[in-house]
Amino acid sequence: QLQLQESGPGLVKPSETLYVTCTVSGGSVGSDSHYWGWIRQSPGKGLDWIGSVFYNGDTYYDPSLKSRLTLSVDTSRNQFSLRLTSATAADTGTYYCAKRGIDYSDYTDWFFDLWGRGTLVTVSS
Amino acid sequence: QSALTQPRSVSGSLGQSVTLSCTGTDSNIGGYNYVSWYQHRPDKAPRLLIYDVYKRPSGVPDRFSGSKSANTASLTISGLQADDEADYYCCSYAGTFNVELVFGGGTRLTVL
Repeated sequence: QLQLQESGPGLVKPSETLYVTCTVSGGSVGSDSHYWGWIRQSPGKGLDWIGSVFYNGDTYYDPSLKSRLTLSVDTSRNQFSLRLTSATAADTGTYYCAKRGIDYSDYTDWFFDLWGRGTLVTVSS
Repeated sequence: QSALTQPRSVSGSLGQSVTLSCTGTDSNIGGYNYVSWYQHRPDKAPRLLIYDVYKRPSGVPDRFSGSKSANTASLTISGLQADDEADYYCCSYAGTFNVELVFGGGTRLTVL
């Protein structure tokens, strides 16, 4: 069945670029039905939506991150990725990738029906 | 500070029922019927329990139920089991002009 697995650098220095990848197995990231999303959890805090990307490259970002954030899909590698520039300590957290589900009875898709286990990224010198 | 407010902790005894609340505003929970709930156990991937306020994905027991009244959504877990002990997060659509999806800070459920 479909599975998601995040991979990241573990440690990033302040002002550098944070790059996290999500590998999709058991299915295709190029599906024309699903959005792929990123959510992060800062230490001791709740979850925060970062953004979503569609297989064709359409993206939707948290406005507070938009100037630093790029989400992309690589269909050749069956992956989607997050790139966050000018990292600061506030970007420290566990990054989760997820798939937006679809209810075909009424075509609603504002929920995540599959998540990865997350990868911890620490921004520190 | 999370956009949606959840109690930090709730406890219940085995076999009992508990209700977890999630309070938002007219701009998220009150404005749309797109509330979802997730269970998160340590070192596991979060799991979808409820979407569109009350709908259950296949495989989720009917012990889990969702509802909404005005700006507050609720998740009720009946017949509490030991492995229900986890963190629970609510999420709501918040429109396409700002942050699309907002989450709560999470509730830690302890099963006594």
